[in-house]
Amino acid sequence: RKEVEQDPGPFNVPEGATVAFNCTYSNSASQSFFWYRQDCRKEPKLLMSVYSSGNEDGRFTAQLNRASQYISLLIRDSKLSDSATYLCVVHSGGYQKVTFGTGTKLQVIP
Amino acid sequence: NAGVTQTPKFQVLKTGQSMTLQCAQDMNHEYMSWYRQDPGMGLRLIHYSVGAGITDQGEVPNGYNVSRSTTEDFPLRLLSAAPSQTSVYFCASRGSASGANVLTFGAGSRLTVL
Repeated sequence: RKEVEQDPGPFNVPEGATVAFNCTYSNSASQSFFWYRQDCRKEPKLLMSVYSSGNEDGRFTAQLNRASQYISLLIRDSKLSDSATYLCVVHSGGYQKVTFGTGTKLQVIP
Repeated sequence: NAGVTQTPKFQVLKTGQSMTLQCAQDMNHEYMSWYRQDPGMGLRLIHYSVGAGITDQGEVPNGYNVSRSTTEDFPLRLLSAAPSQTSVYFCASRGSASGANVLTFGAGSRLTVL
């Protein structure tokens, strides 16, 4: 089993739709969690950190479920500019233990 | 602009050639790292450094060397390029302050080994 697993997609959704991605992790000792966004042929950039209490940033909501060992990202009112690959990142302590998921591709359609 | 700068952006090598990918950051970050990204594999850590003079291996270190003589620079050396090293390479850094687990990436270096 991979340490961090994501559905690769692609998720094709119309503009204005709500879409949700999940990411599961295997290490119960994982400490911090992030969503990064990666545009085609570009570097990953931090989208948001994921806190135990859940957090929201505009149209984006991230949640953590430690009991079931997954994090989620919800995007409301999808825009064309949201089209990208979303990477789940799990930090399990120590400098080496940053594990990236393979990413979920989102395509927002006009 | 503050950030992580990588050069070159593109490189084509023949099998057996050596080269160095350059990485520099101007954020005074202690931690620097190199990742490779391959389709379906996610980003994998090659080498990392927690400060000048200190380096360590990541998940896929074979075929690569690094050094860290200054806080700013962290070059990645390919000793004898192989087609399996065809990939996109990202350098990333992070600081030691609060929020330190957040990585800042360079724009990437696309390497093709023929």
